[in-house]
Amino acid sequence: GAGVSQSPSNKVTEKGKDVELRCDPISGHTALYWYRQSLGQGLEFLIYFQGNSAPDKSGLPSDRFSAERTGGSVSTLTIQRTQQEDSAVYLCASSFRGDSPLHFGNGTRLTVT
Amino acid sequence: AQKVTQAQTEISVVEKEDVTLDCVYETRDTTYYLFWYKQPPSGELVFLIRRNSFDEQNEISGRYSWNFQKSTSSFNFTITASQVVDSAVYFCALSRNTPLVFGKGTRLSVIA
Repeated sequence: GAGVSQSPSNKVTEKGKDVELRCDPISGHTALYWYRQSLGQGLEFLIYFQGNSAPDKSGLPSDRFSAERTGGSVSTLTIQRTQQEDSAVYLCASSFRGDSPLHFGNGTRLTVT
Repeated sequence: AQKVTQAQTEISVVEKEDVTLDCVYETRDTTYYLFWYKQPPSGELVFLIRRNSFDEQNEISGRYSWNFQKSTSSFNFTITASQVVDSAVYFCALSRNTPLVFGKGTRLSVIA
């Protein structure tokens, strides 16, 4: 079956512009996660959706970051007024339920110039 | 707070050598899960194993084996007879009611 799909695979944007990153999770997976991986760094948790519960936004680094998940499926991560320090690979993952193994997408490489 | 430490930033071995990747974790929970993921040069994270805190049995899967010791809060990963295809960044992670907390990863280079 299809894995987690992320688009675009690469995004170059100018400082100050807004960007939207998309994630299509595996069908039937109730949990969806966004992580960020900066060059040479580990994975930094951003936000987590589980079913119809309120999302866990505790990892969002600033109010310029937001995410939504429509219909319990597709998710969009939005970064407003991008800064150079936002440059990273943004990874989406889904799982059947909490504590199940995460299945990751290939990520979106964001470069802010 | 939960924390995962992978003290080895980079390891380089010659093909066919055995190599152990260390993982030490911190948690106050008595029930939790531990994971290992592999990130090859292509970039996609691949799930390798999940172990719950009540199961301290070591596990072997082909050339891979995992040693879980609660007494030392460690969950180490050994690759036997390493191959060039094992070259990747390996992440250890901890979870209790999600989301996963990852270590910073160990970059393994296997040289032919």
